[in-house]
Amino acid sequence: NAGVTQTPKFQVLKTGQSMTLQCAQDMNHNSMYWYRQDPGMGLRLIYYSASEGTTDKGEVPNGYNVSRLNKREFSLRLESAAPSQTSVYFCASPNPLTGGQGRTDTQYFGPGTRLTVL
Amino acid sequence: AQSVTQLDSQVPVFEEAPVELRCNYSSSVSVYLFWYVQYPNQGLQLLLKYLSGSTLVKGINGFEAEFNKSQTSFHLRKPSVHISDTAEYFCAVSEWANQGGKLIFGQGTELSVKP
Repeated sequence: NAGVTQTPKFQVLKTGQSMTLQCAQDMNHNSMYWYRQDPGMGLRLIYYSASEGTTDKGEVPNGYNVSRLNKREFSLRLESAAPSQTSVYFCASPNPLTGGQGRTDTQYFGPGTRLTVL
Repeated sequence: AQSVTQLDSQVPVFEEAPVELRCNYSSSVSVYLFWYVQYPNQGLQLLLKYLSGSTLVKGINGFEAEFNKSQTSFHLRKPSVHISDTAEYFCAVSEWANQGGKLIFGQGTELSVKP
């Protein structure tokens, strides 16, 4: 039981290049999230998926796209990388709370991807 | 709009001293509250949470926090810190009615424990 896994762990891109960050969870959760972490700004939500087949924008979606491939996997794509996208990216998946309505409990985080765009 | 403010960006403290990391939130509805810890070069892990019930919650590693609804605060405390508590701490809020359970994070507080 690995929880949440992310690949790659490190990546260096040149401006304009594209790449996909992969995330998988083995906890059979419905919801999955992508965050970016920047110094002094905490974690900011990029996109999330409340269930298989659905995705929604978070606080900072510009420059990113996502795919919820199946219940386990949620990928984040940078189509044309920019230096402003240099960051640490975390995928997370929460325990659901009973009572429905999408309420969630503890989020489980992957180890992160450290991305540098030159 | 929902927001979270961590009042101190850095907190230096000596080993075995008490510490308080402050967190205030704003929301027009009921919330769930969380503290996460991030050790260097790692992901975040849950320290403690308030979902309902007693306003004083205890977490791992001897930490505790108290939910104060009137002051919209959720401060984190530990009576005696260790070197191993050196990490970044994040307060986070999720609104009850929030579809998908989105978390809003504070900016983080770096706790530095010195010998």
